[in-house]
Amino acid sequence: EDQVTQSPEALRLQEGESSSLNCSYTVSGLRGLFWYRQDPGKGPEFLFTLYSAGEEKEKERLKATLTKKESFLHITAPKPEDSATYLCAVYSGNTGKLIFGQGTTLQVKP
Amino acid sequence: NAGVTQTPKFQVLKTGQSMTLQCAQDMNHNSMYWYRQDPGMGLRLIYYSASEGTTDKGEVPNGYNVSRLNKREFSLRLESAAPSQTSVYFCASRWDAYNSPLHFGNGTRLTVT
Repeated sequence: EDQVTQSPEALRLQEGESSSLNCSYTVSGLRGLFWYRQDPGKGPEFLFTLYSAGEEKEKERLKATLTKKESFLHITAPKPEDSATYLCAVYSGNTGKLIFGQGTTLQVKP
Repeated sequence: NAGVTQTPKFQVLKTGQSMTLQCAQDMNHNSMYWYRQDPGMGLRLIYYSASEGTTDKGEVPNGYNVSRLNKREFSLRLESAAPSQTSVYFCASRWDAYNSPLHFGNGTRLTVT
């Protein structure tokens, strides 16, 4: 069964304290892995798409990486404005379905 | 650059009432989607429309109907609201390519009492 699991569910960091969020997946025929950021009361905002193992994408303090079984969202020297829920979604080419994880809620304290 | 616009932002209904959630996108996308988001359940697909004139069921379609009015607009209707439909509803759109990302609206928060 296709599945996407994000960990941890919640993460609290001090400003400047780097860390990583994990997205593990079991999907038949991976065609793309997506990272989104969601602020309270808002819709998910697209961050990155990764297509194949070994691929990396960067945007400001965020860096996403992909292996055959998981993806990491690395946050370097986070700031309070990075506080949000980060969602991972995986597209299965075999089923044609986009499967979302349940998200990691990040809080960065000044 | 509006992107995906949803109305209303908030709605309270009584059990049995009906309502329509509206969604419009200005990105010339062919595909449009309706999701609901509940605590602990993540985003779940209700219905989608791969192109103007077509609609298909998603993971949780029961109790809902949709209309793809034209290329820009995709509405979601609750014919007889139930408390189990209390949720945040998101509309999204994307290019046809299977690996293109979804672009979301800011949601409608619906409470059914």
